[in-house]
Amino acid sequence: KAGVTQTPRYLIKTRGQQVTLSCSPISGHRSVSWYQQTPGQGLQFLFEYFSETQRNKGNFPGRFSGRQFSNSRSEMNVSTLELGDSALYLCASTLAGFAGANVLTFGAGSRLTVL
Amino acid sequence: GNSVTQMEGPVTLSEEAFLTINCTYTATGYPSLFWYVQYPGEGLQLLLKATKADDKGSNKGFEATYRKETTSFHLEKGSVQVSDSAVYFCALSRSGGGADGLTFGKGTHLIIQP
Repeated sequence: KAGVTQTPRYLIKTRGQQVTLSCSPISGHRSVSWYQQTPGQGLQFLFEYFSETQRNKGNFPGRFSGRQFSNSRSEMNVSTLELGDSALYLCASTLAGFAGANVLTFGAGSRLTVL
Repeated sequence: GNSVTQMEGPVTLSEEAFLTINCTYTATGYPSLFWYVQYPGEGLQLLLKATKADDKGSNKGFEATYRKETTSFHLEKGSVQVSDSAVYFCALSRSGGGADGLTFGKGTHLIIQP
């Protein structure tokens, strides 16, 4: 079956712009999580959606937002881009709620460069 | 809060050498522990996991044992191959799920030379 699909894979924006990234989870997976990966901070949890509701949120400013649709596809948005937002944004899906033993399946990521 | 500490590397080994990547964690309760691997240009893939103390996770020749007494989850492989070159991440999730997602270590870049 198809894996987690993220689009676009690469994009370049300038400071002050906004960006929307898309994630299609594995068919049947209802939970989608987003992570930011940078060389300095490593992998950091952004938020998690389950059945169109944001259940968990990491320690990021309000410029970072997301949503989930009825088909479990998810988007995240970053407004008023800053240079420090340059990162690889990873989406992960899992069958049910995010619980200790549930395994996340990650997409290949969307690499955002802010100039 | 939760945290994971692992050697960052790069760690360079010759093919067929023995591999150990150390991972220690700080968490309350009984977290689940994971090792993920990231190959160049790809997302993370689950390598192995352990959900309770003394559990041993294993996959593709890699092993790690959940040691609660030393709060460790060291990754080992008896004989590495060039194809094992990648970045390895140790991670934990709070027992019973949590409000903060998975907590990852900074990653260990492993380079295997032929």
